[in-house]
Amino acid sequence: DADVTQTPRNRITKTGKRIMLECSQTKGHDRMYWYRQDPGLGLRLIYYSFDVKDINKGEISDGYSVSRQAQAKFSLSLESAIPNQTALYFCATSDTDPPGYTFGSGTRLTVV
Amino acid sequence: AQTVTQSQPEMSVQEAETVTLSCTYDTSESNYYLFWYKQPPSRQMILVIRQEAYKQQNATENRFSVNFQKAAKSFSLKISDSQLGDTAMYFCAFSGAGSYQLTFGKGTKLSVIP
Repeated sequence: DADVTQTPRNRITKTGKRIMLECSQTKGHDRMYWYRQDPGLGLRLIYYSFDVKDINKGEISDGYSVSRQAQAKFSLSLESAIPNQTALYFCATSDTDPPGYTFGSGTRLTVV
Repeated sequence: AQTVTQSQPEMSVQEAETVTLSCTYDTSESNYYLFWYKQPPSRQMILVIRQEAYKQQNATENRFSVNFQKAAKSFSLKISDSQLGDTAMYFCAFSGAGSYQLTFGKGTKLSVIP
């Protein structure tokens, strides 16, 4: 099994729908992240969490929310999807000192 | 806030040749980490190499090496003996020692030509 598992792998949804992207990890890391990748823009941080009770906004959090259900689970929600949220979404975890990051295989989301 | 700049959107190299990908960054932190990630068409993010800012010695991993110039805030990746499997997007990334959030450049698409 993968260390960081994202579901679904691909998803097409309609404008205005609520959608949740899920992430689970077996690394035992406290720190988890959600990134969004757009062509020509690299990866940008949406939200990050340093433990179950510590959730922080990243560079592009508008239109997104997250839930840290347990140390191993970190979900990203789009309350009302819009077409410009079409992107590749990555979940990642990290340890510290020195930091080592493990990425999931990504969720390709298309909003039509 | 940190910024990471990759000035080469696309590059190509002949198989078995050497290529260098450029990366510059801006930060006011004194202790940090720099990374190169590879993203093949499978879209998986694969760590190529990591450099600790407090280490003067340049990191090396097999055919991959970096030229870390701390004063110039430059972190280039050299790929020697390029192979077809090196064809991918390459991202340079920065992490502050205390923040642990990765800031990425926009990427360089590398094509290895047979």
